[in-house]
Amino acid sequence: GAGVSQSPSNKVTEKGKDVELRCDPISGHTALYWYRQSLGQGLEFLIYFQGNSAPDKSGLPSDRFSAERTGGSVSTLTIQRTQQEDSAVYLCASSRGGEYQPQHFGDGTRLSIL
Amino acid sequence: DQQVKQNSPSLSVQEGRISILNCDYTNSMFDYFLWYKKYPAEGPTFLISISSIKDKNEDGRFTVFLNKSAKHLSLHIVPSQPGDSAVYFCAAIRSGSARQLTFGSGTQLTVLP
Repeated sequence: GAGVSQSPSNKVTEKGKDVELRCDPISGHTALYWYRQSLGQGLEFLIYFQGNSAPDKSGLPSDRFSAERTGGSVSTLTIQRTQQEDSAVYLCASSRGGEYQPQHFGDGTRLSIL
Repeated sequence: DQQVKQNSPSLSVQEGRISILNCDYTNSMFDYFLWYKKYPAEGPTFLISISSIKDKNEDGRFTVFLNKSAKHLSLHIVPSQPGDSAVYFCAAIRSGSARQLTFGSGTQLTVLP
């Protein structure tokens, strides 16, 4: 499809397990972002990739969170030793990069930690 | 500290009338503003944007107004349609940053038939 694709759409796992979330950006988009929305909260920035530059990780809440982007396209967000407070909808967005380009979002992965 | 604020959690409007959604911001370093619409279980959908060098941008039924001195922007939808019922998020980007979005808390718009 033409949009940002995220998988899985839903993930339920036990506390302490590791999870991996995947994002396929729009073809040709050089910038990729991860956000999360916890229950009753606004959307919160996590990490940003632009081309081959080092990612901006300033929004990651702890060192249990990491992300990579292979070949400038697909990205995976990994959460190690999950905690209940990690339960949220994790959203990926991509854009063409540049100063005034809107970000386009996927439908998110709803993560539930039991 | 909320840098982007949407003070109205909900708004109801009659079909065919104008919907006005408001947003205030505190950070004068923001230089690009966007509005997104969100349906349940879907990601936010980009609607319209405006850079800080402009005070108005129009796209079909959607117009965004920016008042930099008041640090205020608004989204006008004319005429409103039932399909416009959704949560609307205002977002801003800070100059010189990673260009990540800072979102408001959203306004639930309900357009009544």
